[in-house]
Amino acid sequence: RKEVEQDPGPFNVPEGATVAFNCTYSNSASQSFFWYRQDCRKEPKLLMSVYSSGNEDGRFTAQLNRASQYISLLIRDSKLSDSATYLCVVGRGNSGYALNFGKGTSLLVTP
Amino acid sequence: GAVVSQHPSWVICKSGTSVKIECRSLDFQATTMFWYRQFPKQSLMLMATSNEGSKATYEQGVEKDKFLINHASLTLSTLTVTSAHPEDSSFYICSAQDSGTEAFFGQGTRLTVV
Repeated sequence: RKEVEQDPGPFNVPEGATVAFNCTYSNSASQSFFWYRQDCRKEPKLLMSVYSSGNEDGRFTAQLNRASQYISLLIRDSKLSDSATYLCVVGRGNSGYALNFGKGTSLLVTP
Repeated sequence: GAVVSQHPSWVICKSGTSVKIECRSLDFQATTMFWYRQFPKQSLMLMATSNEGSKATYEQGVEKDKFLINHASLTLSTLTVTSAHPEDSSFYICSAQDSGTEAFFGQGTRLTVV
């Protein structure tokens, strides 16, 4: 089983739509969870950390279910500029900050 | 946020030659840096953990004699791909963290071996 699994998509949605991405992880000892955004041929950039209680940042809402080892990202009112690959990222759970990355979910927002 | 600079951003080399990639933390000190590799349509995969002043820790399946890592200072780690072959062509990217938990990535290096 892969460390972090995501639906690769692509998700094609119109502007203004709401879209949700899901992710599962295998290491129950993981303590840190993130969503990163990666544009084509660029480095990943942190979108938001994910906390147990769930957290929101503007149009983005992240949820974590430790029991199910499941993470989600909800994007409301999609913008054209949201088009990118969204990476589910999980800390390795040991000392240090090495990360396990999902393959990413591709989102294309169309006019 | 903190800045990590990686150089070069792209390189084309002949098979059998060696390529050095630099990763610098510009405004913070990083005792640990990480090197990842991403093949097309694949996820970023951790290759090795670079530790300042000590040997790097390599992931299973990554040849330490082929991918030489040197972390000689708190702001610089280098990855040298020795005797590069076409199958080493990939996107190599480093990351480092300051005092927080957010990982900052270099811009990545696209290596093409011909």
